[in-house]
Amino acid sequence: AQSVAQPEDQVNVAEGNPLTVKCTYSVSGNPYLFWYVQYPNRGLQFLLKYITGDNLVKGSYGFEAEFNKSQTSFHLKKPSALVSDSALYFCAVRPINQGGKLIFGQGTELSVKP
Amino acid sequence: GAGVSQSPSNKVTEKGKDVELRCDPISGHTALYWYRQSLGQGLEFLIYFQGNSAPDKSGLPSDRFSAERTGGSVSTLTIQRTQQEDSAVYLCASSPAGTSGSYEQYFGPGTRLTVT
Repeated sequence: AQSVAQPEDQVNVAEGNPLTVKCTYSVSGNPYLFWYVQYPNRGLQFLLKYITGDNLVKGSYGFEAEFNKSQTSFHLKKPSALVSDSALYFCAVRPINQGGKLIFGQGTELSVKP
Repeated sequence: GAGVSQSPSNKVTEKGKDVELRCDPISGHTALYWYRQSLGQGLEFLIYFQGNSAPDKSGLPSDRFSAERTGGSVSTLTIQRTQQEDSAVYLCASSPAGTSGSYEQYFGPGTRLTVT
């Protein structure tokens, strides 16, 4: 079965420290990979995506993500966390030739403390 | 420009009633998706419309769920004979046309459905 795993329900970091939110996937072929963020009582906002090319992709709000094909991982990173980054983060995978649906991880709650 | 809009933002209904949830996608987006977000199940794909093609209904959890998209724009998700397990946030998303499929999806704010 195709799946996306975010092994940490919650990640706590201090403001100014680097952050990593982990994502691994089990999907056949070379899927497209996405990160979304959800603020309280809001819809999902697109952060970044990996389609092909450079394994390190940069996105909105200073976030970046590193694709590792051998480990089937797509970890989200930011060099210096802000309190305003506190939100729920979702990793998503779009399998190829399956009509465009996204398979989401369970989400990771990021808490950045001053 | 305007994003994806959904209505109502909140809906409380009694068990056994039918409900309709509406989604207005971003103008010009030919692909439209419905997802459900619930505590126990996370974010689940429900249904996908692409242009005039037959919709992908593979994620609909039961035959009580149906959706249509009129004129290639507005979509309505209908849940018949609602059950308490249908309580969730229903999210709609749209994306531009493209055979490559690399476009990100733009999400609406969701409709929070509570079945009492």
